[in-house]
Amino acid sequence: GEDVEQSLFLSVREGDSSVINCTYTDSSSTYLYWYKQEPGAGLQLLTYIFSNMDMKQDQRLTVLLNKKDKHLSLRIADTQTGDSAIYFCAAISGTYKYIFGTGTRLKVLA
Amino acid sequence: DAGITQSPRHKVTETGTPVTLRCHQTENHRYMYWYRQDPGHGLRLIHYSYGVKDTDKGEVSDGYSVSRSKTEDFLLTLESATSSQTSVYFCAITDRGVFGELFFGEGSRLTVL
Repeated sequence: GEDVEQSLFLSVREGDSSVINCTYTDSSSTYLYWYKQEPGAGLQLLTYIFSNMDMKQDQRLTVLLNKKDKHLSLRIADTQTGDSAIYFCAAISGTYKYIFGTGTRLKVLA
Repeated sequence: DAGITQSPRHKVTETGTPVTLRCHQTENHRYMYWYRQDPGHGLRLIHYSYGVKDTDKGEVSDGYSVSRSKTEDFLLTLESATSSQTSVYFCAITDRGVFGELFFGEGSRLTVL
């Protein structure tokens, strides 16, 4: 089955760029996702990328997909303190299962 | 916001007691999921449902059962709670639309003493 891996922590200074990385094992997922979880809340979809794309940009967010290496990254430009949260990478395994990574806790230092 | 309600939001129980968590949706979405969130493990799939009475196991289903007798409700039952089941439980739903966005409830924090 699908396995999704992420590093656990990332710390950046306000105004810098943040890059959160993810690797996955199942290359059949049609879409790959980034979710954000703020303290005490559920997850919310941040962005997604279709599997036949290499890059997707959405305002301060850039998603890069390297299908050969099964590597997904999320870049947040001009990181703000409000971006402090846990970020989850997710993929679909088979027909119905959404598999999530361990989550990366982003801490933004003022 | 997607209409998803989890209950109870917080529960403390003792080892060996049965516990049922409820997920209620008002979106008429076909697919429903139960996840647990633990530090260092991220979000792990317990069980999911792809229709009324249609359910299947996720990666950490041991010790859990589910039922879905109507579209709007997905119940997660711990028949005999153990301390290892102390966790935050999230329900999620989707209709697998254009890009398959998953919508999450606010979570149920369960503590098993």
